[in-house]
Amino acid sequence: ETGVTQSPTHLIKTRGQQVTLRCSSQSGHNTVSWYQQALGQGPQFIFQYYREEENGRGNFPPRFSGLQFPNYSSELNVNALELDDSALYLCASSFSGTGGFEQYFGPGTRLTVT
Amino acid sequence: GESVGLHLPTLSVQEGDNSIINCAYSNSASDYFIWYKQESGKGPQFIIDIRSNMDKRQGQRVTVLLNKTVKHLSLQIAATQPGDSAVYFCAEDNQGGKLIFGQGTELSVKP
Repeated sequence: ETGVTQSPTHLIKTRGQQVTLRCSSQSGHNTVSWYQQALGQGPQFIFQYYREEENGRGNFPPRFSGLQFPNYSSELNVNALELDDSALYLCASSFSGTGGFEQYFGPGTRLTVT
Repeated sequence: GESVGLHLPTLSVQEGDNSIINCAYSNSASDYFIWYKQESGKGPQFIIDIRSNMDKRQGQRVTVLLNKTVKHLSLQIAATQPGDSAVYFCAEDNQGGKLIFGQGTELSVKP
């Protein structure tokens, strides 16, 4: 088990609503990355936060936003939910935002949009 | 665009046999590669990594081979056990921690 935790475990939302997912990074890690994993697919990079700043973003629209706090925990916010947003949302923490370091994943939050 | 792909979507092996899972990557600038294991209902679990200045790296029962000439990565699991049954992903890192994952290979171990 890694020291990365996520909440909630499962969530059901209606199309058009907003959702906030939370992640606590492993002790000693200052970087959090968020990924979206659709059923049967590999995780897709959403964005990364390093020292409370966004440090890279994948091909996701602006309605996907995030925050990182001084204790390096992080939030992922999704506005105007769409059915295709249904997925497993994973966060991963690592030692540095410069790349080349192991990323350790949390258990994920399963989001269902109806 | 950038992509990491796997040659075989499913792999079935007998307990005790060796398993080999293959992966192709497209970006020759990638300098760091990771193999993850994902069990049902869980997040990906780090298995082993390798940097582009290496060809081979060994861990406990696992070996990763990197062939930069043909942009190919493989994961070898020795003496495969039922507990190894899972989906295995390779991932490449060439943009400071932005991991690009392949679709995954499902490994099934028959007792």
